[in-house]
Amino acid sequence: RKEVEQDPGPFNVPEGATVAFNCTYSNSASQSFFWYRQDCRKEPKLLMSVYSSGNEDGRFTAQLNRASQYISLLIRDSKLSDSATYLCVVSPLTGGGNKLTFGTGTQLKVEL
Amino acid sequence: GAGVSQSPSNKVTEKGKDVELRCDPISGHTALYWYRQSLGQGLEFLIYFQGNSAPDKSGLPSDRFSAERTGGSVSTLTIQRTQQEDSAVYLCASSLGLGPGGRGVEQFFGPGTRLTVL
Repeated sequence: RKEVEQDPGPFNVPEGATVAFNCTYSNSASQSFFWYRQDCRKEPKLLMSVYSSGNEDGRFTAQLNRASQYISLLIRDSKLSDSATYLCVVSPLTGGGNKLTFGTGTQLKVEL
Repeated sequence: GAGVSQSPSNKVTEKGKDVELRCDPISGHTALYWYRQSLGQGLEFLIYFQGNSAPDKSGLPSDRFSAERTGGSVSTLTIQRTQQEDSAVYLCASSLGLGPGGRGVEQFFGPGTRLTVL
């Protein structure tokens, strides 16, 4: 079983739609959680960190459920520019440093 | 300011040759990481440097892989006797190390080196 599992997609949605991605992680010791975005043939870039209380950044909302070891990302009013691969990422607390474990990513295609 | 830079951007080599990949982290970042991304695979952690501490080499796939970080700045990843399965994009990232409470902080990635082993 992979440490971080995501539905690879692709998710094809019309502009303006709301889309949700889910991710599960297997290491219960994970303490830091992130969503990264990766455009085609580009490096990953941090989209947002994910906190236990849930957090929102504009059109993006991230949720964490520690009991179920589940992370979600909701994108509202999707734009063409949101088309990318979204990577679910977890990291241990101290002792494991800050090395990141990545899911394989969920591909989003926003269409006119 | 300048981001993480990597060189070369592309490297084609023959099976059995050694290659060196270079990473220049963001100035002032104490932590440096190497990852690789193979076609259709997620990013895979290779090695992690934090300040003057011994590096975390737990992700290196074999003893053909090694990395150095000189002077707490530039890092070189060396792959000896390359194999075709080493073909991947090798990504370097840097960060300010650990955040409050030991929690993770943002890692900034370089553009990667695309390695092709023929």
